[in-house]
Amino acid sequence: DQQVKQNSPSLSVQEGRISILNCDYTNSMFDYFLWYKKYPAEGPTFLISISSIKDKNEDGRFTVFLNKSAKHLSLHIVPSQPGDSAVYFCAASVASGSRLTFGEGTQLTVNP
Amino acid sequence: SAVISQKPSRDICQRGTSLTIQCQVDSQVTMMFWYRQQPGQSLTLIATANQGSEATYESGFVIDKFPISRPNLTFSTLTVSNMSPEDSSIYLCSAHIPGQALSYEQYFGPGTRLTVT
Repeated sequence: DQQVKQNSPSLSVQEGRISILNCDYTNSMFDYFLWYKKYPAEGPTFLISISSIKDKNEDGRFTVFLNKSAKHLSLHIVPSQPGDSAVYFCAASVASGSRLTFGEGTQLTVNP
Repeated sequence: SAVISQKPSRDICQRGTSLTIQCQVDSQVTMMFWYRQQPGQSLTLIATANQGSEATYESGFVIDKFPISRPNLTFSTLTVSNMSPEDSSIYLCSAHIPGQALSYEQYFGPGTRLTVT
């Protein structure tokens, strides 16, 4: 049972435009949601998180939106840069510091 | 943030042998986690390792195959035992750093890329 799903395996955008990565979840017990970026041969790097009591969290070029009723979250990157090209994973947990459940990942390619 | 290191970074092993992966955190942490990323797949949690207690394994993972040690608050090891080619994966350790306001994130090590021939 895939509790966290990223339905788009890949996304390609032009430099300077907005990248929107989507994630859906099924477990209503999830309370915290996180986005990680992963380059090949490296571990995942934390990007941004959001608690279920919020619907938006912003950090520089990265904004995460949470729609609890739809069990959907999205990561917006604007403006997109070629260095943003990586695999992006969304993850969810039921409590701060507890185990993470990951989506399948979306390969983002930002073209110059 | 925290710095997490893993050794080895990669290895090629013969089937039937065992490999122990080390994970070192630069600060004391209560919970450490071991994940596996098989080729083209997402990250799957193998087990949670708390200091001073037995590791808690996820469904599909057993202690005989993946024994874990957690001797102190900064260090853990994962052993992949009696390896088969299906164990070829990236193995990642992670830790939650407590005490930071509104800190939900876990930090990850760089991973150990294991190839079993």
